[in-house]
Amino acid sequence: KAGVTQTPRYLIKTRGQQVTLSCSPISGHRSVSWYQQTPGQGLQFLFEYFSETQRNKGNFPGRFSGRQFSNSRSEMNVSTLELGDSALYLCASSLALTSRRSPFFGPGTRLTVL
Amino acid sequence: AQSVSQHNHHVILSEAASLELGCNYSYGGTVNLFWYVQYPGQHLQLLLKYFSGDPLVKGIKGFEAEFIKSKFSFNLRKPSVQWSDTAEYFCAIDLSTGNQFYFGTGTSLTVIP
Repeated sequence: KAGVTQTPRYLIKTRGQQVTLSCSPISGHRSVSWYQQTPGQGLQFLFEYFSETQRNKGNFPGRFSGRQFSNSRSEMNVSTLELGDSALYLCASSLALTSRRSPFFGPGTRLTVL
Repeated sequence: AQSVSQHNHHVILSEAASLELGCNYSYGGTVNLFWYVQYPGQHLQLLLKYFSGDPLVKGIKGFEAEFIKSKFSFNLRKPSVQWSDTAEYFCAIDLSTGNQFYFGTGTSLTVIP
């Protein structure tokens, strides 16, 4: 069974630009969540989608948005990029929004904002 | 607010030494507990998890963790580390409501051969 895939793996953008990251969950998984990982901050929750609906959202500005498609694939978008947005963006998938889920993580997209 | 604390930011051990990484959380209700590992250049992988039952859980690669409810702790242990255990370790909780995961800031473990 293929794991969680994320594209692209690396991105370099300049301040003010926007970026779209993609995540394909494990086949059959319907829940996709996104995290921002930075040194010293660990993983910070961005949002979670299930059945094309955003179920939870972390404390990030509105420049961060996402969506999920009917095939459970998800995208996240960051508009008006800032230097502080440089991070590893991780996607995780799980079967459902149950209380006993164990998310599987993708390799991440390394975003560098210059 | 819910939070997860990993007090050891960086740990350096020699091979064969014993390991204990601390993890404490703040939440008064029922939680599910996890340890994830991120080897250099690799993605996060699940080491072990606790949902209920025996508070001592065993995971992959000889790791184990003990849930002590009264101390809100879920410390990770390994009796004898290997060079290949060099990685970053993250503790996480998932509230029983299934709302979202909360991760600690991670502990970087370096094992010296």
